[in-house]
Amino acid sequence: GAVVSQHPSWVICKSGTSVKIECRSLDFQATTMFWYRQFPKQSLMLMATSNEGSKATYEQGVEKDKFLINHASLTLSTLTVTSAHPEDSSFYICSARAFGQGAWEQYFGPGTRLTVT
Amino acid sequence: QKEVEQNSGPLSVPEGAIASLNCTYSDRGSQSFFWYRQYSGKSPELIMFIYSNGDKEDGRFTAQLNKASQYVSLLIRDSQPSDSATYLCAVNTPIQGAQKLVFGQGTRLTINP
Repeated sequence: GAVVSQHPSWVICKSGTSVKIECRSLDFQATTMFWYRQFPKQSLMLMATSNEGSKATYEQGVEKDKFLINHASLTLSTLTVTSAHPEDSSFYICSARAFGQGAWEQYFGPGTRLTVT
Repeated sequence: QKEVEQNSGPLSVPEGAIASLNCTYSDRGSQSFFWYRQYSGKSPELIMFIYSNGDKEDGRFTAQLNKASQYVSLLIRDSQPSDSATYLCAVNTPIQGAQKLVFGQGTRLTINP
């Protein structure tokens, strides 16, 4: 399957600071990437869809000014959590879509665990 | 509201037995269906996808799709302790002109040695 990487794998930051998370598709080009958030014992919640060369599409209830998404190339999307607060502490996972075996398949990065103190 | 429903479990199965995981979905417009495995603290890993009615087999895993009844299932044969994880059903659903994966809440599976 296709490989998606994320960096960093974990980060601790102080309240009020900003954190940038990178998501890369390593062996394929991804015109569309997705950002999810997962709280403990809950399923994945889609935050936004990132489209290369255009603005991201945010899900209802997700603040686009707080979660800045940039998809500058076909292999890189970034999520910046601005003015982070403890309630933003979560597991952030990106995924990218690749076409294979007759259907679109979505592959996930390893995730970034964010802790805001 | 596009919904994907799974029994949250936990589902306990003895080692070597067949584990059966079920999922129903609400949108008849959904075309492709995915099963992901997620170990605690890790991100989801794609196990199988299916988009035609019937069965699809890959090693010990079999995905089954019935679009008329709007359900998809995953069978794991010869269950191993390493299969213990949360299994997420995901359905590719048209939402506001875009294809998006809608996830179920996951079924926690425990294989008992």
